Amino acid sequence: DIQMTQSPSTLSASVGDRVTITCRASQSISTSLAWYQQKPGRAPDLLIYRSSSVQIGVPSRFSGSGSETEFTLTISSLEPEDSATYYCQQQRSYPPTFGGGTKVEV
Amino acid sequence: EAQLVESGGGLVQPGGSLRLSCAASIFTFSDHFMDWVRQAPGKGLEWVARSRNKVNSYTREYAASVKGRFTISRDDSKNSLYLQMNSLQIEDTALYYCVRVQGGGDSFALDLWGQGTMVTVSS
Repeated sequence: DIQMTQSPSTLSASVGDRVTITCRASQSISTSLAWYQQKPGRAPDLLIYRSSSVQIGVPSRFSGSGSETEFTLTISSLEPEDSATYYCQQQRSYPPTFGGGTKVEV
Repeated sequence: EAQLVESGGGLVQPGGSLRLSCAASIFTFSDHFMDWVRQAPGKGLEWVARSRNKVNSYTREYAASVKGRFTISRDDSKNSLYLQMNSLQIEDTALYYCVRVQGGGDSFALDLWGQGTMVTVSS
């Protein structure tokens, strides 16, 4: 199985800060990576697919980049409603594994 | 607005069985691959199973942790997805999400999630 490692596991930042979350794959996954946001008590929402494509309806402050084994999710200017846990997931091979999550506190 | 609604969760003893259902609405269910993803209390997300669509012969994939015990199925005429869970173990305790898959090739993503149904395995 491909292992997905996210860092940091928790992050505290202020409104307006630029925030970057990293996801590393244990082997190359090309750009087959998605990012999800999960708020407490709610199902996850898709933010980014194919490493850098922003899902319809997602605010423009969210962006993704990377390929092969290194990926980043960037929030350009943190808003209070961005408090959530963020997960990456590879879709290159089965099983489609998730990272362990990054909890962002605003 | 497209939605997925799960049902069938509950409390079951170790070794028991449970069947989860997911009703889809306001999108063409038959076009999509569909997944089950679970989340143990206070833990991260774990992919469980995938059902491909008719074009892809309804083939299925499973996580190693559930293979041989769980069966994913679908009824396109009823816009419904199912998960038959047998030989349940305590570690299967989780919130189970029904999820729509978008994309193709190696650019899949999970773009629509249900609210989840809780499965608790305990004696």
